[in-house]
Amino acid sequence: GAVVSQHPSWVICKSGTSVKIECRSLDFQATTMFWYRQFPKQSLMLMATSNEGSKATYEQGVEKDKFLINHASLTLSTLTVTSAHPEDSSFYICSAMDSQAGKLFFGSGTQLSVL
Amino acid sequence: DAKTTQPTSMDCAEGRAANLPCNHSTISGNEYVYWYRQIHSQGPQYIIHGLKNNETNEMASLIITEDRKSSTLILPHATLRDTAVYYCIVVSGTSYGKLTFGQGTILTVHP
Repeated sequence: GAVVSQHPSWVICKSGTSVKIECRSLDFQATTMFWYRQFPKQSLMLMATSNEGSKATYEQGVEKDKFLINHASLTLSTLTVTSAHPEDSSFYICSAMDSQAGKLFFGSGTQLSVL
Repeated sequence: DAKTTQPTSMDCAEGRAANLPCNHSTISGNEYVYWYRQIHSQGPQYIIHGLKNNETNEMASLIITEDRKSSTLILPHATLRDTAVYYCIVVSGTSYGKLTFGQGTILTVHP
């Protein structure tokens, strides 16, 4: 079964609204989670590294005020797309690191469509 | 992390072995070779990884050349459900998790 749960699987929102995506590690603690974005027919692009209890580390070109990341517990990281616009429509994917097992697990992704 | 080069696409007949190559000529000594695949509209799925030695698990085999500059992922008996984009990623042990995905190889398994 899935060890990383990502919710919702898909979301449609109006331009200007905010959308929150959740990433949960189900049976392990993840001090580090990662957020990716994938446009159609393109590869995954790392957006940011989410660290439990501290500020996220964003990749170059990713607006931290637009893509808010919160990692308040060892099993949950959230990505909030603020004031979403059509160009933010994309497939967002999270991953979580099980440090004890030395394994990385990916969520099933969230398809965001901004109208 | 070292850059990888993979063919854009490959075809394979169902039931036959699929051999997916990957070049990573600038790999350094502490970097591992990881393979993931992504089926359409899903998150990536871990397949296998290795450092120097060849590896095998229930999904696939990984053959790494002696100089470590290239590797081949082998799906011994491809099925239609193996149709996916396959990513070869090289990453150091200390930064595993922060993966850089290339364009991957689109593998199409046909009847």
